Formats: sequence, structure tokens, C-alpha cells
Amino acid sequence: DAGVTQSPTHLIKTRGQQVTLRCSPKSGHDTVSWYQQALGQGPQFIFQYYEEEERQRGNFPDRFSGHQFPNYSSELNVNALLLGDSALYLCASSTTDFYGYTFGSGTRLTVV
Amino acid sequence: AQKVTQAQTEISVVEKEDVTLDCVYETRDTTYYLFWYKQPPSGELVFLIRRNSFDEQNEISGRYSWNFQKSTSSFNFTITASQVVDSAVYFCALSEAPFNKFYFGSGTKLNVKP
Repeated sequence: DAGVTQSPTHLIKTRGQQVTLRCSPKSGHDTVSWYQQALGQGPQFIFQYYEEEERQRGNFPDRFSGHQFPNYSSELNVNALLLGDSALYLCASSTTDFYGYTFGSGTRLTVV
Repeated sequence: AQKVTQAQTEISVVEKEDVTLDCVYETRDTTYYLFWYKQPPSGELVFLIRRNSFDEQNEISGRYSWNFQKSTSSFNFTITASQVVDSAVYFCALSEAPFNKFYFGSGTKLNVKP
């Protein structure tokens, strides 16, 4: 049983560009959350998707947007990239009967 | 205000020593969950333990044990007889209703030397 799958694993982008990160949740999970983890820090909540809608959002600008598809997979989009967006982006999935999150291995984004 | 505080930035121990990782949390909710996750160099956060706010019973699971004290808002995690494979960054996290987003601490890096 596959866990949470994220792609790509690494990505290098230039300031001002746009990026899309992808996540497939663990089988049986219907809720997807995205977290940003800067180097040496704990992950910070970006937003959560359930039933294809954003249901909660953290303190991130509108440059960060997302989407959830009918098969529960999700995308995170970041526009107008800044150097400060360089981080590990983690996807986490869960069920509505919340026991905890299953995390993917993340996408390492480097903005140059 | 920071909801989860892990005051220990980095800890180094020698293999077979016991080590305790500290976590202090802050919440006004009466229903919440506390977690410990391990993050090896690969990056994936690995679930270790979960506790809900109504269950203060402390337990032992293999080499892991935890001490949950609501009176001091602490949720400490102990590894007994540490091993080199325990070397990782450990995160304490708090989740609150209704949607259970996580508030993570800043992490404690554990170095276990042979």
C-alpha cells in the first residue's frame, strides 16, 4: 500500500517563475494538507483541501494556491517565485476520522 | 505566540544512553491532539506517537515512552537505549479542531554516536 507520493523530488526555478507541485494521498485518505519547511525549521501549514475545496488556510500570500481533484490528488501552485520560497514542501494526507497525518517525502524547491 | 516550543535545538548522546526530548505546548482548546514525528535525512516525517487531550495515561511502546502532563502543558518523549538509527530531527506537533492543522515545534536534532 503506497503512502503519500510527491513529485518532483527536487526542482530548481528562477525568481519570478511559477511552479506546480503534485501529491497523491495515501489510499483511503480524502484530505490533503500542504506544509512548507524552511531549512532548520518546523513545517508551516499552507492550506488544506477536502472535497475539492480549500477548507483552511495558513498565513501564506495569494501567490500560493492549490487544487484537489476528484481522485483526491492535489497540486500546489506558487506564482512569482521569491528566493524565500526555497524550502521543502510536504504533502500530508488523512481521513476525516482523524488519527494523524501521513506525510510524503517532500519536494525540495530551490529558487535562484 | 508560539503554540509548540521545543527548547532543545540539538542533543548528542552515546549509543545505549536514554534521551528525553522536551515539548511544551499552548492551546485554549479542551480537545486537541499531540504528536511526535521523526524526520530522517530523507525528509519524510514519520509518525511516532499520538495522544489526545483526554488521555493523560503515560505509556511505553518498545524503546519509546512519553510523559503527557496537562498541568504543565508538556508532552515529553523518551527513547530508551538509543541507537545510531535514532539519529534524526524530532518534531512535536499540536493539532486543534475543527480541521486538525498541525502546529509544529522547531524540532530537536538528535545525534546518537556509536
